[in-house]
Formats: sequence, structure tokens, C-alpha cells
Amino acid sequence: EVQLVESGGGLVQPGGSLRLSCSVSEFTLSDYGMHWVRQAPGKGLEYVSAISNDGTRIYYGVSVRGRFTISRDISKNTLYLQMSSLRTEDTAIYYCVRRLPNTSKFDYWGQGTLVTVSS
Amino acid sequence: QSALTQPASVSGSPGQSITISCTGTSSDVGGYKYVSWYQQHPGKVPKLMIYDVTNRPSGISDRFSGSKSGNTASLTISGLQAEDEADYYCSSYTNSGTLYVFGTGTTVTVL
Repeated sequence: EVQLVESGGGLVQPGGSLRLSCSVSEFTLSDYGMHWVRQAPGKGLEYVSAISNDGTRIYYGVSVRGRFTISRDISKNTLYLQMSSLRTEDTAIYYCVRRLPNTSKFDYWGQGTLVTVSS
Repeated sequence: QSALTQPASVSGSPGQSITISCTGTSSDVGGYKYVSWYQQHPGKVPKLMIYDVTNRPSGISDRFSGSKSGNTASLTISGLQAEDEADYYCSSYTNSGTLYVFGTGTTVTVL
């Protein structure tokens, strides 16, 4: 069964850093585009970052550009999101999502990990 | 990149049909076939309902259908049921630096 399991969330002070991980099983990261999507409490969905299936193309949302870095380790079947210079407005549930290349088929989502930025 | 525009709420009685609109621009919805729709119940993970404008993933009821005209995509729910009460989000590929963009979200209420 395809699974995506996020970890690494927690409470961090403004200006701090955090690294999220997304461990995947029953598929290979090199076969899918991978995305981080977040949802602030009571708010809508927002695309944060993406990496193409071949790893050559990386994208960031305007609100996180220059502060967040997406990466992956194929051998560990793990996707990462390094977050730095965190702001209170980064408080959200962060979901790891896979997408079939050349489609808009975001078919599997992780359960999400909560990041709280507060002093 | 601005979010795609959806109505804040749509309601209908059981058995009726409702349509949720998703308006963008020629840089996203109007320019590509990569529109998808997600259903989210409170406290739950979003679920893919429609992808590539009209395609339903395996296991999704045929009561859900998608379409697009110009810069506006639509999700239609036929034979509305109590379990359809949820938030719905559209999403589109965009030629901006973010790759994809979500809609503002629509709360569907079954009267």
C-alpha cells in the first residue's frame, strides 16, 4: 500500500529552523513529482514547494522563497523540507503529496505534520 | 501568484445538483488541462476527486464531474448526499514560479 508519512513538526520560535521529512513506501520518488502543501489553522490549502520526478526542477511559493529548501534522498525514499527564518504565519499543517508526472493527479497525501511558530 | 477564485459557499438539498466554479486566468486554468479538485472533511486529509479537468480517480463516484470553459473550471455534484458536505478546493497548473495554485475553497452545505 502506498504510504507517505511526515515527521519533524513541532513548536519553534520565530526566526528558528526546522526540517520536515516525508518517508514514502511502495513507490519510488524518481517516478513522481513531490510536493509540500500547507494549511494554516482554519484556512485554505497553499502550495509550498515541489520537486520534479527527475529532481532537476524545483519550485517554491512566493511566501517561502529564499527561506525553505526542498530536497530528497532516493536511497532513503525520503523527501525533505528545510525551513529557516520561520515566521508566525508559517504555522500550519504541512502535507507531503505525490503527483503523477505530466498530470494534475495529486493522488496520495500524507497525514500531515503540524508546525507551530510561536514565542 | 494569486489564488484561484471560488465561491465561499454553495448549498443544496439532498438529490439536487450543485456546481462549484473556479476562476483563474489564461496563465493557469484557461491555458492548461491540469485542473484538479479536492474534497476535505473537517480534520481530514484532502482527497482527490477530479484531475486533468474531467478525469475521476478510481473509486470516486460518478456523481462528481468536472469541466472547463475559458478561464473557469467547474465541479458538479449530482444527486447531492449528506456525505458530500465538506470543503472543496480547485487547483491548477500555473506558468508562474509556483507550478501549481489552489483555489480559495468552497464550503458545501447539504440542507
